[in-house]
Amino acid sequence: DQQVKQNSPSLSVQEGRISILNCDYTNSMFDYFLWYKKYPAEGPTFLISISSIKDKNEDGRFTVFLNKSAKHLSLHIVPSQPGDSAVYFCAASGGNDMRFGAGTRLTVKP
Amino acid sequence: DTGVSQDPRHKITKRGQNVTFRCDPISEHNRLYWYRQTLGQGPEFLTYFQNEAQLEKSRLLSDRFSAERPKGSFSTLEIQRTEQGDSAMYLCASSLGRGRDTEKLFFGSGTQLSVL
Repeated sequence: DQQVKQNSPSLSVQEGRISILNCDYTNSMFDYFLWYKKYPAEGPTFLISISSIKDKNEDGRFTVFLNKSAKHLSLHIVPSQPGDSAVYFCAASGGNDMRFGAGTRLTVKP
Repeated sequence: DTGVSQDPRHKITKRGQNVTFRCDPISEHNRLYWYRQTLGQGPEFLTYFQNEAQLEKSRLLSDRFSAERPKGSFSTLEIQRTEQGDSAMYLCASSLGRGRDTEKLFFGSGTQLSVL
């Protein structure tokens, strides 16, 4: 059962532009959402999170938006840098159960 | 290096053999998780420990899989009678286990298992 979906397997953007990665979830019990970033041959690393009581959380170039009514969240990276090229996983948590999306491979071109 | 470490990084085995992986979490973290990831998919939850207690196991974890965390520090994941479908990246993660920090997982680099 895919409770967390990332429908875009890949995204390519130009350096300096905005990257928008999307994620949808189906389980209304999820109340905490996270984005992880993964480079090749490494484990995922925590990037940014948002609680269901908020609709926006910002950390430097990274902003996560949450639309609970649509069960949708997005990660905005602005400006995008070549070092941001990685696979980004969306994750959703409802207590002890954390589910991950399949990931979106972001390529930022110089 | 104070991150999560996993050993070995790669394991090639023949079908039917047993394999064991080790994970050393960040020292002050009391939660430890095992995930499995296959190509093109996100990490799938297998099991987690709060200190030495195994609190939850996924339905994905068949009887051939067993995990231990005997002293609440390092953990081992054993797969008995391996099958080709067990080929995957096995990820270990740890977290502080308090409040929202529980959900901020710190992952190791994983053990890539190939069953021939």
